[in-house]
Amino acid sequence: QKEVEQNSGPLSVPEGAIASLNCTYSDRVSQSFFWYRQYSGKSPELIMSIYSNGDKEDGRFTAQLNKASQYVSLLIRDSQPSDSATYLCAVNKTSGTYKYIFGTGTRLKVLA
Amino acid sequence: SAVISQKPSRDICQRGTSLTIQCQVDSQVTMMFWYRQQPGQSLTLIATANQGSEATYESGFVIDKFPISRPNLTFSTLTVSNMSPEDSSIYLCSVQLAGVTDTQYFGPGTRLTVL
Repeated sequence: QKEVEQNSGPLSVPEGAIASLNCTYSDRVSQSFFWYRQYSGKSPELIMSIYSNGDKEDGRFTAQLNKASQYVSLLIRDSQPSDSATYLCAVNKTSGTYKYIFGTGTRLKVLA
Repeated sequence: SAVISQKPSRDICQRGTSLTIQCQVDSQVTMMFWYRQQPGQSLTLIATANQGSEATYESGFVIDKFPISRPNLTFSTLTVSNMSPEDSSIYLCSVQLAGVTDTQYFGPGTRLTVL
């Protein structure tokens, strides 16, 4: 079992729809969770961080964390073609360290 | 966030040679990291660059192959030594900013092709 798992996609959604991206992790003691967006040929760009159970909203983006079920998700409302990218989930495994474990990423395609 | 630059942005190198990649940040950071992203793959941590001491390498990465320096709080280098085509990859530095949580910010990356 991979430490951080994501569906590689591609996930295709029509413009204006909600895109739902999911990530599961294996280490129960993980403390910090991050979503990065990576356009083709570019470096990862931070979208959201989340540390506590529940929802965290930032503009069109909502991160959801459920530590009991060991999953974290990212919702993108009113999806735009410019949201088409690979979304990487990263988990900071252990409190007090800064070692991220990255998922393989989900490729999102927003269709105009 | 911070402005992070990497040099070179890309290079094409011959087998058996070495390339040094520089990472410069415009503000002081607590942690600096080096990652590799092979074609179509996710990010793999190579090492943590420690200021004034030897880097901490992840399993599968060794100092002889990937020597790292970090002479101060804003600068680090990664050398890819004795390159082979399998080293063709994007190399990324990331930083954790002083006074911020454990969030990492990435530089623009160096695209390396080894022939």
